[in-house]
Amino acid sequence: DARVTQTPRHKVTEMGQEVTMRCQPILGHNTVFWYRQTMMQGLELLAYFRNRAPLDDSGMPKDRFSAEMPDATLATLKIQPSEPRDSAVYFCASGLGGGSYEQYFGPGTRLTVT
Amino acid sequence: AQSVTQLGSHVSVSEGALVLLRCNYSSSVPPYLFWYVQYPNQGLQLLLKYTSAATLVKGINGFEAEFKKSETSFHLTKPSAHMSDAAEYFCAVSENQGAQKLVFGQGTRLTINP
Repeated sequence: DARVTQTPRHKVTEMGQEVTMRCQPILGHNTVFWYRQTMMQGLELLAYFRNRAPLDDSGMPKDRFSAEMPDATLATLKIQPSEPRDSAVYFCASGLGGGSYEQYFGPGTRLTVT
Repeated sequence: AQSVTQLGSHVSVSEGALVLLRCNYSSSVPPYLFWYVQYPNQGLQLLLKYTSAATLVKGINGFEAEFKKSETSFHLTKPSAHMSDAAEYFCAVSENQGAQKLVFGQGTRLTINP
Protein backbone atom coordinates (compact mmCIF):
# COMPACT_ATOMS: atom_id res chain seq x y z
CA ASP A 1 0.00 0.00 0.00
CA ALA A 2 1.91 3.03 -1.29
CA ARG A 3 1.76 6.06 0.99
CA VAL A 4 3.36 9.43 1.44
CA THR A 5 5.47 9.45 4.58
CA GLN A 6 6.44 12.48 6.63
CA THR A 7 8.90 12.92 9.45
CA PRO A 8 8.78 13.95 12.18
CA ARG A 9 5.11 13.59 13.03
CA HIS A 10 5.42 16.08 15.86
CA LYS A 11 7.98 18.78 16.52
CA VAL A 12 8.18 21.23 19.40
CA THR A 13 10.89 23.84 19.16
CA GLU A 14 11.81 27.22 20.52
CA MET A 15 11.53 30.41 18.58
CA GLY A 16 14.63 31.07 16.51
CA GLN A 17 15.52 27.43 15.97
CA GLU A 18 15.79 25.77 12.58
CA VAL A 19 13.12 23.22 11.70
CA THR A 20 13.42 20.65 8.93
CA MET A 21 10.48 18.56 7.81
CA ARG A 22 10.89 15.66 5.43
CA CYS A 23 8.59 13.96 2.99
CA GLN A 24 8.93 10.80 0.96
CA PRO A 25 6.51 10.91 -1.97
CA ILE A 26 4.91 7.82 -3.43
CA LEU A 27 7.34 6.06 -5.74
CA GLY A 28 6.71 7.08 -9.32
CA HIS A 29 4.93 10.33 -8.46
CA ASN A 30 6.56 13.35 -10.07
CA THR A 31 4.69 16.20 -8.40
CA VAL A 32 5.12 17.16 -4.74
CA PHE A 33 3.16 19.76 -2.82
CA TRP A 34 3.70 21.36 0.59
CA TYR A 35 0.67 22.68 2.45
CA ARG A 36 0.18 24.36 5.80
CA GLN A 37 -3.04 23.95 7.77
CA THR A 38 -4.18 26.23 10.58
CA MET A 39 -7.54 26.87 12.16
CA MET A 40 -7.52 30.47 11.02
CA GLN A 41 -6.24 30.13 7.46
CA GLY A 42 -7.33 26.63 6.58
CA LEU A 43 -5.25 24.76 4.00
CA GLU A 44 -2.61 26.90 2.27
CA LEU A 45 -0.35 25.81 -0.57
CA LEU A 46 3.22 26.76 0.22
CA ALA A 47 5.17 25.29 -2.70
CA TYR A 48 5.16 22.57 -5.27
CA PHE A 49 7.58 20.69 -7.46
CA ARG A 50 7.41 18.80 -10.70
CA ASN A 51 10.21 16.40 -11.56
CA ARG A 52 12.13 17.83 -8.58
CA ALA A 53 12.07 21.36 -10.02
CA PRO A 54 10.31 24.04 -7.99
CA LEU A 55 7.41 25.46 -10.00
CA ASP A 56 5.84 27.81 -7.53
CA ASP A 57 6.76 28.83 -4.02
CA SER A 58 4.77 32.02 -3.90
CA GLY A 59 2.88 30.79 -0.85
CA MET A 60 5.99 30.66 1.29
CA PRO A 61 7.49 33.46 3.36
CA LYS A 62 10.72 33.71 1.39
CA ASP A 63 12.85 35.13 4.14
CA ARG A 64 12.53 32.12 6.41
CA PHE A 65 11.12 29.19 4.47
CA SER A 66 12.84 27.06 1.88
CA ALA A 67 11.78 23.91 0.06
CA GLU A 68 13.96 21.50 -1.87
CA MET A 69 13.95 18.07 -3.48
CA PRO A 70 17.46 16.66 -3.18
CA ASP A 71 16.29 13.57 -5.04
CA ALA A 72 13.08 12.01 -6.29
CA THR A 73 12.45 10.22 -3.00
CA LEU A 74 12.91 13.15 -0.64
CA ALA A 75 11.37 16.59 -0.29
CA THR A 76 12.32 18.93 2.53
CA LEU A 77 10.76 22.04 4.00
CA LYS A 78 12.95 24.19 6.24
CA ILE A 79 12.11 27.09 8.47
CA GLN A 80 14.97 29.22 9.73
CA PRO A 81 14.48 30.97 12.07
CA SER A 82 11.17 29.61 13.30
CA GLU A 83 8.54 31.86 14.89
CA PRO A 84 5.46 31.10 17.00
CA ARG A 85 3.20 32.04 14.07
CA ASP A 86 4.68 29.10 12.15
CA SER A 87 2.88 26.70 14.48
CA ALA A 88 0.66 24.61 12.25
CA VAL A 89 0.31 21.20 10.65
CA TYR A 90 2.43 20.86 7.52
CA PHE A 91 1.32 18.38 4.90
CA CYS A 92 3.16 16.95 1.98
CA ALA A 93 1.23 15.52 -0.95
CA SER A 94 2.36 13.82 -4.12
CA GLY A 95 0.75 13.21 -7.48
CA LEU A 96 1.34 11.33 -10.71
CA GLY A 97 1.38 14.44 -12.86
CA GLY A 98 0.81 13.95 -16.58
CA GLY A 99 -2.68 15.43 -16.46
CA SER A 100 -3.70 13.76 -13.21
CA TYR A 101 -4.77 16.21 -10.54
CA GLU A 102 -5.15 13.66 -7.76
CA GLN A 103 -3.02 14.36 -4.76
CA TYR A 104 -2.13 11.87 -2.07
CA PHE A 105 -1.46 13.36 1.33
CA GLY A 106 0.93 12.35 4.03
CA PRO A 107 -0.06 12.27 7.72
CA GLY A 108 1.43 15.69 8.39
CA THR A 109 3.98 17.20 10.76
CA ARG A 110 2.49 19.06 13.69
CA LEU A 111 4.85 21.92 14.49
CA THR A 112 4.69 23.91 17.70
CA VAL A 113 7.03 26.88 18.10
CA THR A 114 7.21 28.28 21.61
CA ALA B 1 -9.19 31.95 -11.49
CA GLN B 2 -10.77 28.85 -10.13
CA SER B 3 -12.38 28.91 -6.70
CA VAL B 4 -14.48 26.75 -4.42
CA THR B 5 -17.15 27.70 -1.90
CA GLN B 6 -18.34 25.25 0.67
CA LEU B 7 -21.63 26.32 2.18
CA GLY B 8 -21.64 25.72 5.90
CA SER B 9 -18.48 25.34 7.93
CA HIS B 10 -20.30 22.97 10.28
CA VAL B 11 -23.00 20.43 9.49
CA SER B 12 -24.64 18.22 12.08
CA VAL B 13 -26.86 15.24 11.27
CA SER B 14 -28.29 12.33 13.20
CA GLU B 15 -26.98 8.83 12.72
CA GLY B 16 -28.92 7.23 9.88
CA ALA B 17 -29.93 10.56 8.34
CA LEU B 18 -29.01 11.90 4.94
CA VAL B 19 -25.69 13.69 4.67
CA LEU B 20 -25.53 16.64 2.27
CA LEU B 21 -22.41 18.77 2.04
CA ARG B 22 -22.53 21.61 -0.45
CA CYS B 23 -19.83 22.74 -2.82
CA ASN B 24 -20.01 25.35 -5.54
CA TYR B 25 -17.13 26.07 -7.85
CA SER B 26 -16.00 28.73 -10.24
CA SER B 27 -13.96 27.76 -13.25
CA SER B 28 -13.43 29.24 -16.68
CA VAL B 29 -12.75 25.81 -18.17
CA PRO B 30 -14.34 22.39 -17.64
CA PRO B 31 -13.13 21.48 -14.18
CA TYR B 32 -11.94 18.41 -12.45
CA LEU B 33 -13.56 18.24 -9.01
CA PHE B 34 -12.63 16.36 -5.88
CA TRP B 35 -13.87 15.63 -2.39
CA TYR B 36 -11.37 14.84 0.30
CA VAL B 37 -12.00 13.72 3.89
CA GLN B 38 -9.78 14.46 6.87
CA TYR B 39 -10.17 12.46 10.05
CA PRO B 40 -8.73 13.89 13.27
CA ASN B 41 -4.94 14.01 13.32
CA GLN B 42 -4.66 12.59 9.82
CA GLY B 43 -3.93 13.81 6.33
CA LEU B 44 -6.53 14.34 3.64
CA GLN B 45 -7.85 11.23 1.91
CA LEU B 46 -9.44 11.22 -1.51
CA LEU B 47 -13.15 10.36 -1.32
CA LEU B 48 -14.10 10.73 -4.97
CA LYS B 49 -13.35 12.67 -8.12
CA TYR B 50 -15.10 13.99 -11.20
CA THR B 51 -13.02 14.09 -14.37
CA SER B 52 -15.60 14.77 -17.10
CA ALA B 53 -16.96 11.25 -17.40
CA ALA B 54 -20.19 10.31 -15.60
CA THR B 55 -21.79 13.24 -13.76
CA LEU B 56 -22.75 11.05 -10.79
CA VAL B 57 -19.59 9.89 -9.10
CA LYS B 58 -19.43 7.20 -6.46
CA GLY B 59 -16.68 7.18 -3.89
CA ILE B 60 -15.54 5.29 -0.87
CA ASN B 61 -17.57 4.73 2.30
CA GLY B 62 -20.92 5.07 0.51
CA PHE B 63 -20.46 8.70 -0.54
CA GLU B 64 -21.39 10.06 -3.93
CA ALA B 65 -21.43 13.44 -5.63
CA GLU B 66 -23.19 14.84 -8.64
CA PHE B 67 -21.65 17.32 -11.03
CA LYS B 68 -24.20 19.90 -12.14
CA LYS B 69 -22.74 22.28 -14.67
CA SER B 70 -25.83 24.51 -14.79
CA GLU B 71 -25.61 25.06 -11.06
CA THR B 72 -21.78 24.97 -10.88
CA SER B 73 -22.20 22.56 -8.00
CA PHE B 74 -20.63 19.34 -6.83
CA HIS B 75 -22.52 18.44 -3.65
CA LEU B 76 -21.52 15.41 -1.60
CA THR B 77 -24.19 13.05 -0.29
CA LYS B 78 -24.56 9.86 1.67
CA PRO B 79 -27.99 8.30 2.23
CA SER B 80 -27.41 7.18 5.82
CA ALA B 81 -24.85 8.74 8.13
CA HIS B 82 -22.66 6.60 10.33
CA MET B 83 -20.80 7.71 13.42
CA SER B 84 -17.53 6.99 11.64
CA ASP B 85 -18.35 9.67 9.04
CA ALA B 86 -17.56 12.41 11.54
CA ALA B 87 -14.67 14.31 9.96
CA GLU B 88 -13.81 17.42 7.96
CA TYR B 89 -14.62 17.38 4.29
CA PHE B 90 -12.89 19.46 1.62
CA CYS B 91 -14.06 20.17 -1.89
CA ALA B 92 -11.37 21.03 -4.45
CA VAL B 93 -11.27 22.17 -8.06
CA SER B 94 -8.44 21.84 -10.54
CA GLU B 95 -6.55 25.02 -11.28
CA ASN B 96 -6.23 24.59 -14.98
CA GLN B 97 -3.20 26.69 -15.75
CA GLY B 98 -0.89 23.86 -16.60
CA ALA B 99 0.23 23.53 -13.03
CA GLN B 100 -1.95 20.61 -11.91
CA LYS B 101 -2.72 22.36 -8.65
CA LEU B 102 -5.91 22.01 -6.67
CA VAL B 103 -7.82 24.87 -5.12
CA PHE B 104 -9.41 23.75 -1.86
CA GLY B 105 -12.48 25.05 -0.12
CA GLN B 106 -12.42 26.02 3.53
CA GLY B 107 -13.82 22.70 4.65
CA THR B 108 -17.02 21.52 6.31
CA ARG B 109 -16.90 19.80 9.66
CA LEU B 110 -19.47 17.02 9.83
CA THR B 111 -20.77 15.96 13.22
CA ILE B 112 -22.92 12.86 13.66
CA ASN B 113 -25.37 12.80 16.56
CA PRO B 114 -26.28 9.41 18.05
